[in-house]
Amino acid sequence: EAGVAQSPRYKIIEKRQSVAFWCNPISGHATLYWYQQILGQGPKLLIQFQNNGVVDDSQLPKDRFSAERLKGVDSTLKIQPAKLEDSAVYLCASSFGAYNEQFFGPGTRLTVL
Amino acid sequence: GESVGLHLPTLSVQEGDNSIINCAYSNSASDYFIWYKQESGKGPQFIIDIRSNMDKRQGQRVTVLLNKTVKHLSLQIAATQPGDSAVYFCAENIHAGGTSYGKLTFGQGTILTVHP
Repeated sequence: EAGVAQSPRYKIIEKRQSVAFWCNPISGHATLYWYQQILGQGPKLLIQFQNNGVVDDSQLPKDRFSAERLKGVDSTLKIQPAKLEDSAVYLCASSFGAYNEQFFGPGTRLTVL
Repeated sequence: GESVGLHLPTLSVQEGDNSIINCAYSNSASDYFIWYKQESGKGPQFIIDIRSNMDKRQGQRVTVLLNKTVKHLSLQIAATQPGDSAVYFCAENIHAGGTSYGKLTFGQGTILTVHP
């Protein structure tokens, strides 16, 4: 079974630039999550989708972060403009349902200079 | 705010020893707890979970204990191997009051180092 795919794996940008991350969840998984993991900390949920609808985006900095899952499968997370404190690993996870096991992708390591 | 935390940030053990990683949580509404293992450059990997109606659950070489009285969770790894070296996170699922969906909140993590 193919796992959660993410791209790119690494990204280096200057502050105030824009960046986008892509996630392809496990086939058949209705629930998709984006997490931010700052070095030395546990992942923090940014946004949760159920199919193409947003379930929870309470911790998403909406002035600069946006995410979409238009067809209920792939998802993109965008940061515009990036700040130094956005340097982190961005993890995508998916699950069959909201209370099922979450499977994580390898993450995208973002460095903002 | 309510959060999940760990008592020890690092743990070093010898190969073959048993390891115990601890976690404290503060939200009495949490009803589902999970332990994850994260190796360098990889996403967290599910190890074992437990629901709040249980106090113990066993897997292969791993056991999770839940003490709801003191809001404490522990992960026991038997016969620890070098391949167990990683960061271990506990996470709790908090019912978002009235909705069907729970919100997974991770603790800070414990670094486990296993020496051959």
